[in-house]
Amino acid sequence: EDKVVQSPLSLVVHEGDTVTLNCSYEVTNFRSLLWYKQEKKAPTFLFMLTSSGIEKKSGRLSSILDKKELFSILNITATQTGDSAIYLCAVEASGTYKYIFGTGTRLKVLA
Amino acid sequence: DVKVTQSSRYLVKRTGEKVFLECVQDMDHENMFWYRQDPGLGLRLIYFSYDVKMKEKGDIPEGYSVSREKKERFSLILESASTNQTSMYLCASSSMDWGGNQPQHFGDGTRLSIL
Repeated sequence: EDKVVQSPLSLVVHEGDTVTLNCSYEVTNFRSLLWYKQEKKAPTFLFMLTSSGIEKKSGRLSSILDKKELFSILNITATQTGDSAIYLCAVEASGTYKYIFGTGTRLKVLA
Repeated sequence: DVKVTQSSRYLVKRTGEKVFLECVQDMDHENMFWYRQDPGLGLRLIYFSYDVKMKEKGDIPEGYSVSREKKERFSLILESASTNQTSMYLCASSSMDWGGNQPQHFGDGTRLSIL
């Protein structure tokens, strides 16, 4: 059965800290992995990863995929209170229309 | 910017009622999805549609049905609401290109309470 596992489930840090969120997966015919940030409302898209070893970066956020070890990490440097959110990882299998979501990591950044 | 609009942010209904949740997207996306989100369980796919009048069951379709009569609109129907359907419901849409499915864009969600 296809599955996506995120860790940790929750995390509390102080402003300025660096955090690493993990996403491991077991999916038949992997095609892509996505990261989303969810605050109070709609999840918003962060990154789409399809190739191993190529880092995607946006400001203080970056992500990388390891297709051999079947995981991805999302790094946030110099965290701010506005980074407090649930971070969702989702994986798509080739030939399907569906994404399989992990349960998310709840990040709280304290001032 | 893609806009996915869900008809209600909060909804309270009674057990046994027929409930309609509406979703509209404005980017001519082929694919539309309905999820429910529960603490500790993440997002679980209820139904999706890859074209008008086409629908596919997701992982938890029991107790739900869907309708897609127009490309921009995807409706989720709870035939006879039950208390275990109290949840946050999220609609999403995505396009397809040569590379396959593109990232999904989500609506703000409907928090449904069944009393």
